[in-house]
This record gives sequence, C-alpha cells and structure tokens, in this order.
Amino acid sequence: DSGVTQTPKHLITATGQRVTLRCSPRSGDLSVYWYQQSLDQGLQFLIQYYNGEERAKGNILERFSAQQFPDLHSELNLSSLELGDSALYFCASSVTRDAQETQYFGPGTRLLVL
Amino acid sequence: GNSVTQMEGPVTLSEEAFLTINCTYTATGYPSLFWYVQYPGEGLQLLLKATKADDKGSNKGFEATYRKETTSFHLEKGSVQVSDSAVYFCALTTASGGYQKVTFGTGTKLQVIP
Repeated sequence: DSGVTQTPKHLITATGQRVTLRCSPRSGDLSVYWYQQSLDQGLQFLIQYYNGEERAKGNILERFSAQQFPDLHSELNLSSLELGDSALYFCASSVTRDAQETQYFGPGTRLLVL
Repeated sequence: GNSVTQMEGPVTLSEEAFLTINCTYTATGYPSLFWYVQYPGEGLQLLLKATKADDKGSNKGFEATYRKETTSFHLEKGSVQVSDSAVYFCALTTASGGYQKVTFGTGTKLQVIP
C-alpha cells in the first residue's frame, strides 16, 4: 500500500458526460501528479500540482482540468468524454529528499466510456 | 528532451531463469533513475531507484546499476518466480525550471511460467 488513495476505483459513463476523479496524497506529500495509461498510448503524464498550484503540464487535453485543494487532495475533471478517453488514470504523490524526488502511485481509477 | 527506451516485450521466462530487462535513456542534466512494477490490475509500485552514477538500486532480489557511460539502467534478477509476472517500467526524473520532470518508458511485460 503506497498510502495514496484514489476514488472511485471504477467508473462507467457515456460519451459527452463529465466525471471527476479524486486523489488523496500520502500524508505530508505536497506534490500530486496525474497520469493516463491506455493500451495504445502507454503511460502519459498529464499534470502536476504542488501545494495547491499547477507546476507542470504534460499531454493534457483542454477538455481535462485538475486542481489541488488546501487539504492537498486533488481532483481531475474530464469533460465531453469520448470513447478514446477510456483508460486507467493514476495519481501519484511525491517526496523530495536530498534534492531527489520519488513518486508513489495510487491504485488508479479505471474509466470506461461507452 | 528526455526519453527512456525499454526493450519490447513480452519477455517469457521459465521459473528460476535469469532476467535482464534493458533500459537506456537520454536526459539533460543529472537524472535520477527508477524501476516501477505494475502487477495485473494494480497501480505502479516503486521497485528500486538510483540517484547518481554507479549507484546500485536493489529490492526483492532485483538490481539495477546506474551506468552513466552507457546511459543505461538495466534491471536484473538472478532467479525469477511466477509471482514476478508483471509489467516493468523504467523512468527518470530531471530538474527543470524548479520542478522535477518525469519520463517513463513504455513498459516491458514479463511472463514467468512454472
């Protein structure tokens, strides 16, 4: 158990809908990362937040957005869903020691868009 | 930009065989290197890491040595078990603009047969 929690574990929805995925980082970790893992694209970095602020952006679509709240949990919002958005969405939190960062992953949310 | 190249899978081995999964990288600066493992139906777990040249990361019988001269971080295990069947991801992080940038390889699936 990494200490990172994600809800829900599974999500089934229809095209055009909007969903929200939630992530709670490990206690004390300030950084949260979101990743998308699909069969054809592999593991893709979407976005990073650090202590409530956006830090880095990867291959995140404009239909997707995220935020990190004062209690450090984060939400990833996916809107106008398409079939191709079906994937496993991971969040990770990280700790930096001696200027080196290590990420710890949650169990993921499996999204199926029908 | 940074990149991580892993050998394509699946890699199929008999129990107790020797395992090598190749990983090479290109990166600016001085990356930290990681191996993550993803068991079926689960999220990624940190397996081992190395933060500077010639460091050896090890965990659960797996080892990898940070080779700066060959820009490699090959994963090895002397005697694999059926329970090692999983997908293995090589990754690196570098510092960029005050934050850590992470890059993952495409993953290598390992199948161990009894």
